[in-house]
Amino acid sequence: AQRVTQPEKLLSVFKGAPVELKCNYSYSGSPELFWYVQYSRQRLQLLLRHISRESIKGFTADLNKGETSFHLKKPFAQEEDSAMYYCALRGGSEKLVFGKGTKLTVNP
Amino acid sequence: DTEVTQTPKHLVMGMTNKKSLKCEQHMGHRAMYWYKQKAKKPPELMFVYSYEKLSINESVPSRFSPECPNSSLLNLHLHALQPEDSALYLCASRPGAYNSPLHFGNGTRLTVT
Repeated sequence: AQRVTQPEKLLSVFKGAPVELKCNYSYSGSPELFWYVQYSRQRLQLLLRHISRESIKGFTADLNKGETSFHLKKPFAQEEDSAMYYCALRGGSEKLVFGKGTKLTVNP
Repeated sequence: DTEVTQTPKHLVMGMTNKKSLKCEQHMGHRAMYWYKQKAKKPPELMFVYSYEKLSINESVPSRFSPECPNSSLLNLHLHALQPEDSALYLCASRPGAYNSPLHFGNGTRLTVT
């Protein structure tokens, strides 16, 4: 079974502070992992995927198979980063499963 | 065209009505999805079509009936819905490659009265 856990429902930081959104997964095979972001009144959009190992909007995420984690990090948060963030997993089929999401608020 | 387009944006229907949601993409994607998203909750998978064939049905009640007329179109037919079916219905598509992401539409906000 595929499962994604995002332990923090809400996360609040000040502008310029580092931010880490946690994601742990459960899947016995090789997972495909993604971070999606949903800004207020906008569509759900891809932020990062594990295979690309790139930095988007200053965010990075590293797949740690030993800890079954795919945490999202940014060294200096900006107010425009305030949004809902979902970690998602696809394991060997078309099914993409989302975590419950973390609402990030970056305060001025 | 690099978007997934959903119509209508909003829909209000009674419990005895029959209506349809429409989704369209012209990116040549071979898999198309319907998700349901309640307020402040993550998207929940309903159906997946792969190469125009239904490949996943997440035990969705029969009052929801998907249809994929061709590779660019995906419909969701609604009949005899309940108020608890009120939600944002999201369509998504993706190419078939490994680790290719889903592209989401803006959704249809459905209210069942």
